[in-house]
Parts: sequence; structure tokens; C-alpha cells
Amino acid sequence: DQQVKQNSPSLSVQEGRISILNCDYTNSMFDYFLWYKKYPAEGPTFLISISSIKDKNEDGRFTVFLNKSAKHLSLHIVPSQPGDSAVYFCAASATSGTYKYIFGTGTRLKVLA
Amino acid sequence: DVKVTQSSRYLVKRTGEKVFLECVQDMDHENMFWYRQDPGLGLRLIYFSYDVKMKEKGDIPEGYSVSREKKERFSLILESASTNQTSMYLCASSLHRDGTNSPLHFGNGTRLTVT
Repeated sequence: DQQVKQNSPSLSVQEGRISILNCDYTNSMFDYFLWYKKYPAEGPTFLISISSIKDKNEDGRFTVFLNKSAKHLSLHIVPSQPGDSAVYFCAASATSGTYKYIFGTGTRLKVLA
Repeated sequence: DVKVTQSSRYLVKRTGEKVFLECVQDMDHENMFWYRQDPGLGLRLIYFSYDVKMKEKGDIPEGYSVSREKKERFSLILESASTNQTSMYLCASSLHRDGTNSPLHFGNGTRLTVT
């Protein structure tokens, strides 16, 4: 049973436009959500996170939105750049209890120049 | 900056061999994790440890064991490597405790091929 889902395996976006990556979760105990970016043959790099007490967090070109009632989060990248081409993973964790971070299957973003 | 170092970037081993993957972190983090990444399956948790000598099974522990004798070091052991353990292995650490939030920091990964 997949607790964190990324239903789009891939996404192509024109340079300068907005990229929107989506993630759904099922476990209502999750209260901390993260996005990671991964290039081939490298480890994932932390991008941005959001706690469930917020519905939006912004860091430069990256904004994460959280809709708790829908159990949905999204990552917006504006403007998209060719260097953003990578695989993006969302992850979720519960602040109390176990220390596990559960990851989605990833979305491959391709930004076209 | 947190540094998580995995001892090998690439490894090739034969079926049946015992394999050790080593990971060291330099930020005094309590928690350490081993994931594997496979196409279409994302990152799946193998084992994690929230303290020295403490370990807990993740979602896919079969065929693996771990060792955490020192806080900074977390080893993944494949007792008898099999071809279905060919994968990218990722070590991570975090400061996550009850009541706090903290991101995972990953190493660069070890690409293991079992022939």
C-alpha cells in the first residue's frame, strides 16, 4: 500500500514557464512534507519542506503548497530552467512516533530550452 | 553543511558474496537510514536506526542486515548477495526527534551490481 503517491512519472515544460509537480498521501499522521531533487548517479538533494501547520512555503523559485483536507501537496517552480531537469521526489514523515520518511516514486521533469 | 559519505560509488559483486556498504555522517545526527532506489519504485526504506545499536526494519528488510556501533557510522550488509539486489543504495541521516522537523541528508549513493 503506497502511502505517498506521485501519479505523473514525467513532465515536460518550456523554459521560463511554470512547472507543477504533484503528490498525494494517504496517512493522516503525516505532518511534515519534503521535496527532493535527484540527478542521475547522485544522491537526492533537499529542496524545500512544509509543516502541516502551514499551507504554503516559499524559497526563491520554489513554492510548496499543502492541502490537508485533500491530502495533496504540490511543488511549483517558477520560472523553470534547463538545470531544473531532474527527478523530483516528495516525502512525508510524522513528527511524533517513528522516524520514517516515506517517499513517492518520483516525477522526471524535463525543461526544454 | 551536513556531509554523508558512502564509501563506494560503484561496486560489482558476485551472487552469494557477503557485501558491506558503509556510510558515515559528520553532523552528530541521531537517525540514519538506508534506502534503495529502483526505476519506477522510488526510494524504498530498507532499515533505519535512531540511536547507537538500535535498528528498525523498513519496508523491504529481507536479505539485508545493518550495524550501528558508533553514532556516525551505519553499515548495510547483504549476507548473500543476489541479482535482485542490484540497485542504487542511498544512505541518509537526520536530526529528527519527537516534536521536531528536520530534512534527510543523503550521500551520493552506491551503485551495486550483482552478477
